[in-house]
Amino acid sequence: IAGITQAPTSQILAAGRRMTLRCTQDMRHNAMYWYRQDLGLGLRLIHYSNTAGTTGKGEVPDGYSVSRANTDDFPLTLASAVPSQTSVYFCASSRKAGGPETQYFGPGTRLLVL
Amino acid sequence: GQNIDQPTEMTATEGAIVQINCTYQTSGFNGLFWYQQHAGEAPTFLSYNVLDGLEEKGRFSSFLSRSKGYSYLLLKELQMKDSASYLCAVGDSNYQLIWGAGTKLIIKP
Repeated sequence: IAGITQAPTSQILAAGRRMTLRCTQDMRHNAMYWYRQDLGLGLRLIHYSNTAGTTGKGEVPDGYSVSRANTDDFPLTLASAVPSQTSVYFCASSRKAGGPETQYFGPGTRLLVL
Repeated sequence: GQNIDQPTEMTATEGAIVQINCTYQTSGFNGLFWYQQHAGEAPTFLSYNVLDGLEEKGRFSSFLSRSKGYSYLLLKELQMKDSASYLCAVGDSNYQLIWGAGTKLIIKP
């Protein structure tokens, strides 16, 4: 593994179903982030984690949850998917939080909720 | 509120120069980033400015004026591979990045 990986690459999901998007990084970065990207809008932060064992809410956290059991993994769960959660989801990481750190992005997961 | 403004789309000719502007209003300022995003791909880091002035990196330069809440990305000697979206992002008082919607740059031969 080099950098950040995300799985699945794409997914079609029925409304009401539960779904976990996976994110793994091998750079030993402390901080990790989940964004969604929608046409005509900037990247919007869903949840973040400054270090293993801690998480925080971003701009659009409703309907999503995260966990950070270790440094490398930061899964995002949709408890009961709704069509408005159709989007491209990017996971990112940075060396540390609390500073102007460059964020490195995974390839994204394209999710369609019907 | 927090706001980042960029033009939605720009067109330029191969070999020419293009300037992509970004204006921002944020709660606090902890640096301004430019990222490049090719269609269907992840954003990748281009540049970072925290002090006023011009930062040059090869064919790409980025300028910042904190007093005006303004930055631009300058791309010289445009190549077809520069066709992409360019995202402006500002670090706010909590060091979270606030992102603009991006500028889609179309390069014509």
